[in-house]
Amino acid sequence: LAKTTQPISMDSYEGQEVNITCSHNNIATNDYITWYQQFPSQGPRFIIQGYKTKVTNEVASLFIPADRKSSTLSLPRVSLSDTAVYYCLVGPHKAAGNKLTFGGGTRVLVKP
Amino acid sequence: DAMVIQNPRYQVTQFGKPVTLSCSQTLNHNVMYWYQQKSSQAPKLLFHYYDKDFNNEADTPDNFQSRRPNTSFCFLDIRSPGLGDAAMYLCATSRKTSGDYNEQFFGPGTRLTVL
Repeated sequence: LAKTTQPISMDSYEGQEVNITCSHNNIATNDYITWYQQFPSQGPRFIIQGYKTKVTNEVASLFIPADRKSSTLSLPRVSLSDTAVYYCLVGPHKAAGNKLTFGGGTRVLVKP
Repeated sequence: DAMVIQNPRYQVTQFGKPVTLSCSQTLNHNVMYWYQQKSSQAPKLLFHYYDKDFNNEADTPDNFQSRRPNTSFCFLDIRSPGLGDAAMYLCATSRKTSGDYNEQFFGPGTRLTVL
């Protein structure tokens, strides 16, 4: 599975846009990029997944450049409740059992 | 609402005393996973079941065992807990098909303390 590198932490303020970049230089052709969110004392929660270009849902957007060696999770207009750890994962989405290998994650703190 | 339930939420055991953590799901998913998450670390997969087929991760200690008596329930047994086994244990499920990505649904976790 491709190794991912993310910033350890980021601070932001309510109403701002938060962009978290994940590096995955050895991403394979059949790998997808998936992001999970984890609040304190809760299990992770799926946010978004993409293969290339841009994916948007009601929670976030995922930008993936043509070379796919990095990706950026964008959280629009964050609120205090978006304070969480965000994990970037790379792997074949049809892998046996859809196993998840979590990297270090980015701890996002949203301030008033 | 369909969900993943873990009981208990907090478990205290003594060094070397066997402990069992429980997970149940109402999602009717055929894949169930157990993760270990230590303080300030990312979750680490211990093993998973695809239906009744058990899949152990290569670096999961023998001290950890699992049982899945039916689709809805899965148990994590720690035969002789050590201080290093204190962690949050997360159960997750997913629906295994040959189609689109099947996200994993996590339970709230059981926080294990070893005295």
